[in-house]
Amino acid sequence: DTGVSQDPRHKITKRGQNVTFRCDPISEHNRLYWYRQTLGQGPEFLTYFQNEAQLEKSRLLSDRFSAERPKGSFSTLEIQRTEQGDSAMYLCASSLAQAAGVHEQYFGPGTRLTVT
Amino acid sequence: GNSVTQMEGPVTLSEEAFLTINCTYTATGYPSLFWYVQYPGEGLQLLLKATKADDKGSNKGFEATYRKETTSFHLEKGSVQVSDSAVYFCASVSGSARQLTFGSGTQLTVLP
Repeated sequence: DTGVSQDPRHKITKRGQNVTFRCDPISEHNRLYWYRQTLGQGPEFLTYFQNEAQLEKSRLLSDRFSAERPKGSFSTLEIQRTEQGDSAMYLCASSLAQAAGVHEQYFGPGTRLTVT
Repeated sequence: GNSVTQMEGPVTLSEEAFLTINCTYTATGYPSLFWYVQYPGEGLQLLLKATKADDKGSNKGFEATYRKETTSFHLEKGSVQVSDSAVYFCASVSGSARQLTFGSGTQLTVLP
């Protein structure tokens, strides 16, 4: 297993355009998380999936953001009508949640979005 | 809600120096605590964790002890190497989603 992968690694777009990012988790992991990291800050939680169900969304996730995880495998994060404030690193993480306890999250390399 | 406060950087040390990066948390209940490391151009990697009070997490010469009385989880290493240069994040896990709450990160540079 090669770990969590994300595509693309870098994306430059003009304000107002739509962008879509993809995350492929570790294959047997049932939980998938999206975080956003701005320069000089720690990652902030956006949303998470248990299998194909999106179970929680942060208030950071405005109506312009949508995430999907069809079939409980890969996930996509779409940002519509991008704004300069959306410029950040978008991180994906996955974990295997089988029972109560700590489920370690494994992170991908991230997609760096620059909105001009 | 939960929060994590981390020692501000950047921190610059000479090789073989002693490292401490402070981390304190606020939480409802007793969260699990983590240190993640981010090397240049790479993703976040779990460095160590502790799940209950007085637990000590350790890995690659790094240690951190979960102190409930001071709500702290300070990262230490007795002798740093140039290869330890990276950004270090303290984090707690919280909520029904078990999402991570991160500190703002501490940039460590180790000089030869």
